[in-house]
Amino acid sequence: KNQVEQSPQSLIILEGKNCTLQCNYTVSPFSNLRWYKQDTGRGPVSLTIMTFSENTKSNGRYTATLDADTKQSSLHITASQLSDSASYICVVSPLNDYKLSFGAGTTVTVRA
Amino acid sequence: KAGVTQTPRYLIKTRGQQVTLSCSPISGHRSVSWYQQTPGQGLQFLFEYFSETQRNKGNFPGRFSGRQFSNSRSEMNVSTLELGDSALYLCASSLEYMGQLNTEAFFGQGTRLTVV
Repeated sequence: KNQVEQSPQSLIILEGKNCTLQCNYTVSPFSNLRWYKQDTGRGPVSLTIMTFSENTKSNGRYTATLDADTKQSSLHITASQLSDSASYICVVSPLNDYKLSFGAGTTVTVRA
Repeated sequence: KAGVTQTPRYLIKTRGQQVTLSCSPISGHRSVSWYQQTPGQGLQFLFEYFSETQRNKGNFPGRFSGRQFSNSRSEMNVSTLELGDSALYLCASSLEYMGQLNTEAFFGQGTRLTVV
């Protein structure tokens, strides 16, 4: 079973609307959690990196939250733009181990 | 500052052949990690090299191998190709191991391998 589960698998939103992506993990103890954005045909690009002690981290219109107690993270996209259409991947780094755990990603499609 | 360069971008091979993919990291980065990405599986970790040494390896068969040169450039080799090896292969470059706190990792655009 994957240690990082993302939901929904995909979603479609209208330009200008907000959306929230979920990431639930079982990795424990963990060092940090990252969100990546991957445009079609390109490599992932880092959006945010949070340690277990951080609750929120923003990068422009992207805001990530983390609840280490419930092992849940979310990525909120505000005022979506067409360029936000991409796959968003949650990655969890365990403490004292090199093996990263990747979520399968959420595909976001923004329509005009 | 040049980004991570992967070559070739696209590759078509037949079953049973072997293939070598190349990754040139950002200048000064010593860690290179390789990943396989397929639609159903997401990103799967292959291995990580640091200063010419393989530090960590994922759960892939021995047909998948790699190496890193003294200039940090890395190559990945897949022998006896199977249809299931068709995927996007990504490499990530970082100063230290990409999972380490405060270590930023930069991905290349990937090599799309199709096995027919």
